This record gives sequence, C-alpha cells and structure tokens, in this order.
Amino acid sequence: SQELEQSPQSLIVQEGKNLTINCTSSKTLYGLYWYKQKYGEGLIFLMMLQKGGEEKSHEKITAKLDEKKQQSSLHITASQPSHAGIYLCGADKGAAGNKLTFGGGTRVLVKP
Amino acid sequence: DADVTQTPRNRITKTGKRIMLECSQTKGHDRMYWYRQDPGLGLRLIYYSFDVKDINKGEISDGYSVSRQAQAKFSLSLESAIPNQTALYFCATSDPGQGSYNEQFFGPGTRLTVL
Repeated sequence: SQELEQSPQSLIVQEGKNLTINCTSSKTLYGLYWYKQKYGEGLIFLMMLQKGGEEKSHEKITAKLDEKKQQSSLHITASQPSHAGIYLCGADKGAAGNKLTFGGGTRVLVKP
Repeated sequence: DADVTQTPRNRITKTGKRIMLECSQTKGHDRMYWYRQDPGLGLRLIYYSFDVKDINKGEISDGYSVSRQAQAKFSLSLESAIPNQTALYFCATSDPGQGSYNEQFFGPGTRLTVL
C-alpha cells in the first residue's frame, strides 16, 4: 500500500473559490514536498516543509505541516484557471533523505 | 534551455522490443532519479544514482536497467518491453546542498506506450 495518501483524488472548483488538498502519512515525515504537474508535463516544485507546525505561502498557495509531522495540507485561495493541474505530495523516506515517496496525486479542475 | 531534458518525449513500441530512454541535465547535480507515473499511483521510484559510480534500485526496478554514463547523463532501459510498462516516465535531479532536504528537479517526461 502507498505510504502517502492524498485526498481528494480529484476536485472541481468554481473560479474564485478556495480549495484544500490533504496528504497523510502513517509515519513521521522528515521532509514534505508539494509539486504541481500540468497535464502531460513535468513537475514544478511548490514548497517544502520540515518542521512540525510549519507553514509556508507563495502567492495564493499555502502549505502546512501538522505538529506530529504526519499530515500536510495545501490550500489555494481564490482559485484561478492557472491553478488547474495535478498536485502531488512527496516525502523523504528517512533522515538520509532525497528518495521521495509520492502520494497518488490530486487532480484539480477550475471552472471559469 | 531546459535544465533537465528527456528523449524521446513520446514513444510507441511493441512487446518484446528493447527501449532506451535518455536523460540529460545541465544543473551539475550528482543525484539523478528515474520514476514512472501511472494514473492514481503518483510517481514510483525505479532507480536512482547518487554519483557516477553509484546505482541503486528503487521500489519497482524489475524489468528495468540503468546506466550512468556521466554526471550529466542517466539512461533507463527496458530490455524487453511489456504492455504494463506503458506509463509516463520522469527523470529528476537533486543536489545534497545543505543537509539532506533538497527539492528534485524534473524533466518534462517521456510517454511510453507498449503495444
């Protein structure tokens, strides 16, 4: 079974509305990465979280890592068509780092 | 120019054929990775290399082999392609830098179809 579970698997949101994606692990996360993938293209790095309770923002996207470092959320405020794509969370497998395990991805569609 | 390039971008082949996917990077990174992406399964690690002399199996290496020809080049081979190897393949690079936590930089992907 996958070590990282993302929810929802897909969502459709009206332009201007907010959305939240969750990424849950059964093990402590040493580093949690969020990537965005446009359909049929490569992955674009969004943010990385390390510390329990950490929160980072970039433009209208905010990512948080819970205190126990087992769950992260990605929140998009006032969604735009440019936010459409597949969002993936990835996690370091251990302190030695850099071998990422990915969640199954969340497909986001923004309706104008 | 892109920092991580993959060739070909699309490939259709037949069962039993040998296929090589190539990856080149200009980022000067020592670490390179090959992943495959299947719908709903995210990305799964096939092989990774932390330097030219270091090759390691990932979680789904069966049916695949790799070659690290130089720091900048990492190729993935399917010795005898089978239909369930139809997927989107990504190459990625990273640099240890400070500590162990560094983003990976991905190529644009190769869409492989095995008939």
